[in-house]
Amino acid sequence: GAVVSQHPSRVICKSGTSVKIECRSLDFQATTMFWYRQFPKKSLMLMATSNEGSKATYEQGVEKDKFLINHASLTLSTLTVTSAHPEDSSFYICSATLAGAVREQYFGPGTRLTVT
Amino acid sequence: DAKTTQPNSMESNEEEPVHLPCNHSTISGTDYIHWYRQLPSQGPEYVIHGLTSNVNNRMASLAIAEDRKSSTLILHRATLRDAAVYYCIPVQGAQKLVFGQGTRLTINP
Repeated sequence: GAVVSQHPSRVICKSGTSVKIECRSLDFQATTMFWYRQFPKKSLMLMATSNEGSKATYEQGVEKDKFLINHASLTLSTLTVTSAHPEDSSFYICSATLAGAVREQYFGPGTRLTVT
Repeated sequence: DAKTTQPNSMESNEEEPVHLPCNHSTISGTDYIHWYRQLPSQGPEYVIHGLTSNVNNRMASLAIAEDRKSSTLILHRATLRDAAVYYCIPVQGAQKLVFGQGTRLTINP
């Protein structure tokens, strides 16, 4: 099956700093990638949809200037949390999908961000 | 987005079948029904999807009601590794997934 990786798996950063999370599709070209956030004991919440070579589409309530998404190639999307604060601590998960009318999404293993 | 209703939790025994229900009465005619599961501290994993007919794959079976207002995910012989949160999600085309609260499945040895 299709494999999606994320790096890093865990990161701890100080308040006010920026953190970059990478999402890669290892054995397929992903036309669309999605970024989710999950707080403890809660469900996944979609943050944004990104298509290669174009600007990401953010969900309502997600600050695009705080969560910068770059999808520079068909195998790589990055999420940068800028000026991180403790309330940004969460489990960030990406997914990727192939082109086509009905396609399952392949999820990465997630990145646990802790902001101190 | 179509709303879904799933039991908060279910429990079953190892090597027994498990039937996970989902109500999606507001589903549109072109929405596919997708099921994903999430093991602890991992990203979700695709399980199965269907439109109208029942579907089978190596992981599970999906039984879809004739009126499409509900569906049931069937794990034929549960193992401890099937313990996870299972999400039923109506999806239109290649659009985004909207996760509900899902069903937390516990498997007893």
